[in-house]
Amino acid sequence: QSVLTQPPSASGTPGRRVTMSCSGSYSNIGRHTANWYQQLPGTAPKLLIYNFNQRPSGVPDRFSGSKSGTSTSLAISGLQSDDEGDYYCAAWDDSLNGWVFGGGTKLTVL
Amino acid sequence: EVHLVESGGGLVQPGRSLRLSCAASGFTFDDYAMHWVRQGPGKGLEWLSGISWNSGRIAYADSVKGRFTISRDNAKNSLYLQVNSLRAEDTAMYYCAKDIGSGKGINDYGMDVWGQGTTVTVSS
Repeated sequence: QSVLTQPPSASGTPGRRVTMSCSGSYSNIGRHTANWYQQLPGTAPKLLIYNFNQRPSGVPDRFSGSKSGTSTSLAISGLQSDDEGDYYCAAWDDSLNGWVFGGGTKLTVL
Repeated sequence: EVHLVESGGGLVQPGRSLRLSCAASGFTFDDYAMHWVRQGPGKGLEWLSGISWNSGRIAYADSVKGRFTISRDNAKNSLYLQVNSLRAEDTAMYYCAKDIGSGKGINDYGMDVWGQGTTVTVSS
């Protein structure tokens, strides 16, 4: 059971918008930055969003992040079949003195 | 281009040890904190350990504290993870990852570029 809670699955049709949430607490998202990682099947994770809403160079602006209190969300617009994979949030946790990942959300493009 | 290549994984018996290595290139290695993260078969990501640019700050996940040791050799652009007293539940893909922020600590920004991983299988 991770300290960051993500829904296990999400889905959408091509071209539509999907959002996924990551719920934490004051000791992690409430006090520290949070990031989102995309893991496509059979590949290593890739940084998608850092510091809640910053995109690394090369990441399309279809991907966006936001923060609200002790939660963070990832939105993907213009959904594509290539977006199918697992999405993880991560944040530093003061209580555990380490980085924690959410359990991951598996995105299916219908 | 930033490149991270892990090595040292393999099939090992319970109770034995391994030393995982991560060779870095394409960036100023000694400017960045580094991390190890693992992923068990069909499971999610688990952060294991992080080390600051000068090894001055090190942290471990509770699940591996006392059994795993992270280190780095800035002269060789290399990161290491000594894994001892291996258990079946340590079976996983082990990734090294570079931190996002230059000159920052291990808790400021998190991981950006990841290697392709090295597989550790613990079985008798």
